[in-house]
Amino acid sequence: DSGVTQTPKHLITATGQRVTLRCSPRSGDLSVYWYQQSLDQGLQFLIQYYNGEERAKGNILERFSAQQFPDLHSELNLSSLELGDSALYFCASSVGGLPYEQYFGPGTRLTVT
Amino acid sequence: AQSVSQHNHHVILSEAASLELGCNYSYGGTVNLFWYVQYPGQHLQLLLKYFSGDPLVKGIKGFEAEFIKSKFSFNLRKPSVQWSDTAEYFCAVKDNYGQNFVFGPGTRLSVLP
Repeated sequence: DSGVTQTPKHLITATGQRVTLRCSPRSGDLSVYWYQQSLDQGLQFLIQYYNGEERAKGNILERFSAQQFPDLHSELNLSSLELGDSALYFCASSVGGLPYEQYFGPGTRLTVT
Repeated sequence: AQSVSQHNHHVILSEAASLELGCNYSYGGTVNLFWYVQYPGQHLQLLLKYFSGDPLVKGIKGFEAEFIKSKFSFNLRKPSVQWSDTAEYFCAVKDNYGQNFVFGPGTRLSVLP
């Protein structure tokens, strides 16, 4: 158990819908990272928040957004969902702003039908 | 942009065989290097990391990796694999200026009992 929690574990929704994925970092970690893992694209970095502020942006679509709240948990919002958004979404956390050592959560499996 | 390649998509070994998984990266500057493992149905876990110093790094579960700067490589090794090592292995690189990890596509290891 890495100490990073993610909910829900599984999510099935229809195209065009909007979903919110939630992540709670390890106690004491200030950074949260979101990744998308799909069969064709592998593990792709989406976005990082550090202590409530956006720190780095990767291959995140405009239909996706995230935020980190004062209690440091983070939410990833996916809207206008397409079939290709079906993937495993991982959250990771680290102590500081630089991702020297990230601890990954169990992931949320999103299926868009 | 940085890229990470992993030589093998799928490796099949018998128990007690020796393992070497290749990883090459494209960035020419100072890098931090990582190997992560993802057991079936589980989240990514850090196996080992290299920041500086001795290029031969020892990790958990008997794994080690060697950083060869001239070859831009960070190959993972284990002298004798076990059935429980069956998993997906990801190499990741972070350069000293960027904020993000770049992950390789992964190598699936199947160990036959």
